[in-house]
Amino acid sequence: ILNVEQSPQSLHVQEGDSTNFTCSFPSSNFYALHWYRWETAKSPEALFVMTLNGDEKKKGRISATLNTKEGYSYLYIKGSQPEDSATYLCAFCNQGGKLIFGQGTELSVKP
Amino acid sequence: NAGVTQTPKFQVLKTGQSMTLQCAQDMNHEYMSWYRQDPGMGLRLIHYSVGAGITDQGEVPNGYNVSRSTTEDFPLRLLSAAPSQTSVYFCASSYVGTGELFFGEGSRLTVL
Repeated sequence: ILNVEQSPQSLHVQEGDSTNFTCSFPSSNFYALHWYRWETAKSPEALFVMTLNGDEKKKGRISATLNTKEGYSYLYIKGSQPEDSATYLCAFCNQGGKLIFGQGTELSVKP
Repeated sequence: NAGVTQTPKFQVLKTGQSMTLQCAQDMNHEYMSWYRQDPGMGLRLIHYSVGAGITDQGEVPNGYNVSRSTTEDFPLRLLSAAPSQTSVYFCASSYVGTGELFFGEGSRLTVL
């Protein structure tokens, strides 16, 4: 059983706040760690795919870090905006290609 | 650009009926997968395939069959629908390896 845990389950912040979420995953048989953004009534869209321990990726105000040895990844949003409101999913991919999602963190940003 | 196409978008079945959810992609992706989305459960992997002729089970495979005869298509079959299979189903594809997943628009299935 592959356990991919995300915390917190939900987060309510004010516009301009910075936020961060955690994804924990098995530290063995690691191949890649994905982050997705999922808006209501749409399909998930990829933010980052990370493979190397210590990897850091950035896209605009959103960034992510990866620690494969201890099995966690952080997603940061700097200066949250209402349009950042969505569910953020992480997914662990093992070396056999099995890609398992966490339950997601639901972010709500109030103007 | 068609991307990942799922059909049908909505379907209502009676318990015991069978049906097939179709998924096709035009990006020449080796990897294809099916997920179901249920409230509070996130996306759970049903079956996946790393290439034509190769399929494997995910987290919740019971009650579902798949086949991968071509690179483009990955149909999901419900042999005898049950109310517990009421869900939204997503097909996704990617290049094998570190490729990001591209998702279809989802298929909402209700089993009465």
